[in-house]
Amino acid sequence: AQRVTQPEKLLSVFKGAPVELKCNYSYSGSPELFWYVQYSRQRLQLLLRHISRESIKGFTADLNKGETSFHLKKPFAQEEDSAMYYCALSLNSGYSTLTFGKGTMLLVSP
Amino acid sequence: KAGVTQTPRYLIKTRGQQVTLSCSPISGHRSVSWYQQTPGQGLQFLFEYFSETQRNKGNFPGRFSGRQFSNSRSEMNVSTLELGDSALYLCASSGRDSGTGANVLTFGAGSRLTVL
Repeated sequence: AQRVTQPEKLLSVFKGAPVELKCNYSYSGSPELFWYVQYSRQRLQLLLRHISRESIKGFTADLNKGETSFHLKKPFAQEEDSAMYYCALSLNSGYSTLTFGKGTMLLVSP
Repeated sequence: KAGVTQTPRYLIKTRGQQVTLSCSPISGHRSVSWYQQTPGQGLQFLFEYFSETQRNKGNFPGRFSGRQFSNSRSEMNVSTLELGDSALYLCASSGRDSGTGANVLTFGAGSRLTVL
């Protein structure tokens, strides 16, 4: 069965520090992986997807099939990055059925 | 373009009652999926509908059901409510993003159900 693990419930850093939010997955097929973000009092929204190889708001994530990981990284954290971050794995090509991790709360202090 | 709209936003029910939640997807999106969000279990997939047919189903009891109408609007129903059904129920619609051409899953604000 597929599973997504985010080992940290809370990650607290200072502004300007590097950030790495960890995500590990288990899935027998070829994974499609995503990071979603939920800012305070806002809707859950897509941050980035691995197939796009994009950088959004300074965040990047690389799929490492050998380590079954999809860690989210940003070199210099900003206060506005404070939010709940969810790693998710798609079960179908339409990306409409997702298995989510439990989420990591990122707090960036001034 | 209007986003995903969910109604009602908040509701309180008692054990044993049933509840119906509604979701209007983004115009043109034909896939609607439902998720349950709780502090303990996080986000869990309930089911997905496409063109009025259930296409995928999560691991929830039969008390949880849904349907989709010809205009792609969807409803989910929970019968014989239990205390553990208290959660935020999120609806998401899926369709091609006009800018990138990629499939995008867009979430609504959710319906917060409290079971007393």
